[in-house]
Amino acid sequence: GNSVTQMEGPVTLSEEAFLTINCTYTATGYPSLFWYVQYPGEGLQLLLKATKADDKGSNKGFEATYRKETTSFHLEKGSVQVSDSAVYFCALSDQGSSGSARQLTFGSGTQLTVLP
Amino acid sequence: DAGVTQSPTHLIKTRGQQVTLRCSPKSGHDTVSWYQQALGQGPQFIFQYYEEEERQRGNFPDRFSGHQFPNYSSELNVNALLLGDSALYLCASSLQYEQYFGPGTRLTVT
Repeated sequence: GNSVTQMEGPVTLSEEAFLTINCTYTATGYPSLFWYVQYPGEGLQLLLKATKADDKGSNKGFEATYRKETTSFHLEKGSVQVSDSAVYFCALSDQGSSGSARQLTFGSGTQLTVLP
Repeated sequence: DAGVTQSPTHLIKTRGQQVTLRCSPKSGHDTVSWYQQALGQGPQFIFQYYEEEERQRGNFPDRFSGHQFPNYSSELNVNALLLGDSALYLCASSLQYEQYFGPGTRLTVT
């Protein structure tokens, strides 16, 4: 079955530091890959996505590249801010025959704390 | 445009009771998925509804059941509640491969 392995947390960084959160996956076929962010007391927000190999997803300064050869989708940001403090989840999804959403399989999450 | 909404926000139930959680999808979305997120863990897929039918199901017992209405809104029902059912229950709606999540319902079983 599908699985996602995520970098163990928590991660604590100073403002403006470089961020990497590692994510590797196991899946049959060609899944779509996602990063979701969860702020305290809230649901999940889609941060970025990639639907095929070598695609780069990006949003709000965050980036991740779909690497099929290493089955990875690492999240990076060049300069983190205090407002980036949250829990980050890597996830994958098979696509249905018509491009419809299928179940998401999530990693265990990485708590990021950015200090001023 | 309203996003995904869920009700209630919080709920406290006793072991053995039954609970119903509700979800209204984002406008134009026809597919609803439900997830259970235990404290400190990633969400686990419960099931997905499309055209009022259960299309996919995760590894959850039959105590967990659902329904989708003609307006695409959905309910999650859990019977014979156990302490281990305490979690944040998330609803996600989608039209294609991208899923949008609601704020969740926090269920506490005592």
